[in-house]
Amino acid sequence: DAGVIQSPRHEVTEMGQEVTLRCKPISGHDYLFWYRQTMMRGLELLIYFNNNVPIDDSGMPEDRFSAKMPNASFSTLKIQPSEPRDSAVYFCASSPPASLSGGYTFGSGTRLTVV
Amino acid sequence: GEDVEQSLFLSVREGDSSVINCTYTDSSSTYLYWYKQEPGAGLQLLTYIFSNMDMKQDQRLTVLLNKKDKHLSLRIADTQTGDSAIYFCAETLEGSQGNLIFGKGTKLSVKP
Repeated sequence: DAGVIQSPRHEVTEMGQEVTLRCKPISGHDYLFWYRQTMMRGLELLIYFNNNVPIDDSGMPEDRFSAKMPNASFSTLKIQPSEPRDSAVYFCASSPPASLSGGYTFGSGTRLTVV
Repeated sequence: GEDVEQSLFLSVREGDSSVINCTYTDSSSTYLYWYKQEPGAGLQLLTYIFSNMDMKQDQRLTVLLNKKDKHLSLRIADTQTGDSAIYFCAETLEGSQGNLIFGKGTKLSVKP
């Protein structure tokens, strides 16, 4: 199993541009999570999906952020328009059903820099 | 409310034992986890403990759970420089549908 795959690994973009981050969860995991990590705020949950349906998006900072999960093997996090304060490492994680004890498997993250 | 607290930093000498502590507030936690994050990488699940256990050992790692005090600890025996990383404590709550609550992480520095 290749684990949770995120792309790109690094993204540098100019303020105002649209940014799309991608995630492929582990096959069979029915939960998918998007996190943001910064030095100041630590690890923040943005949104999570269960069986492709968004369950809790209360962590999404603003309307500039949106996330989709069109099928069980793909999710995107989009920022439009991007701002310098969006610079962070964005992690995707997936997990098996809540009845199991496997915890989360994280991807390697996308380091976003908005200049 | 739900909250997971950890000290931010720990420094030890190579070969010593490290003990990273964590407190949580919700007594209905079902599983408690320790994750490790190395520089430039994602979080890696190290170990977990079910809330009806009080200890779990896995090679150099020992997890102790004091449910009465809502205190979780991770002991790393014979700490090596490769153990330098940020360690996150996390809990999952009964009925939370798999949503983990993370602490802010403890940065472990191992000095030669």
